[in-house]
Amino acid sequence: KNEVEQSPQNLTAQEGEFITINCSYSVGISALHWLQQHPGGGIVSLFMLSSGKKKHGRLIATINIQEKHSSLHITASHPRDSAVYICAVRSMYFGNEKLTFGTGTRLTIIP
Amino acid sequence: DVKVTQSSRYLVKRTGEKVFLECVQDMDHENMFWYRQDPGLGLRLIYFSYDVKMKEKGDIPEGYSVSREKKERFSLILESASTNQTSMYLCASSPTGGEFTGELFFGEGSRLTVL
Repeated sequence: KNEVEQSPQNLTAQEGEFITINCSYSVGISALHWLQQHPGGGIVSLFMLSSGKKKHGRLIATINIQEKHSSLHITASHPRDSAVYICAVRSMYFGNEKLTFGTGTRLTIIP
Repeated sequence: DVKVTQSSRYLVKRTGEKVFLECVQDMDHENMFWYRQDPGLGLRLIYFSYDVKMKEKGDIPEGYSVSREKKERFSLILESASTNQTSMYLCASSPTGGEFTGELFFGEGSRLTVL
C-alpha cells in the first residue's frame, strides 16, 4: 500500500461543477502539500497546510489530521482548471524530513 | 516571483552518453531537489542539497550524481545514460526560514529520452 493514496485517479466534469479530490496517507505528517501540474510539466504549489482549512480564490484545501485525510475542492470549475493535482506529505524518516508524493489525479473540465 | 529555471525542456540522448541537467533558482533558497516523474509512480527524489557543496541521496540515486558549487545552481549528472533513465526530471527549491518555509518551487521540467 502506498503511503499516499489519491482518489479518483481520473475525473472528468462539466464546467461549473464543484470538484473534490481526495488524499489519504498512512504516516504521521508535519505538513501536506497540494500541487498542480499542467500539460507540459511545470508544477505549481497550491497549498501547504498542517491543520484546518485554507482558501485561495476558487480553491479550498482541508485536512483532518486524526483521520489522515485531506481534500482539495474547486468551486465553479473552469476548463483552465484541467491539470493533474498531486498530494504530497511531509514526514520524518530516520530523523530526516521526507516528502512522499501521490500519483496524482487527472482533472478534465469540459466546456 | 520565485523562478526556478531548468536548462533544457526536451533532450534526446544515446545510451552511454553523459548528460547534464542544469537548474538555477533566483531566490537564494538553501534547499534544492532533483526528482524524476514516471507514469503511475509519482515524483521520486533522486538527490537533494541543503547547502553549497552539500548533497544527500534520495530514494533512487543509482546512476546519477549531482553538483552544487554555487547556491543558486544544482546540476544533475547522468554519467552514462541508459534507456531506463528516460523520464521527466523536475528540479525544485525550498527556503529554510521566513514566510515560505517548506514551500516548494518547481521548474518546468526536462523531458529526457535515451535511445
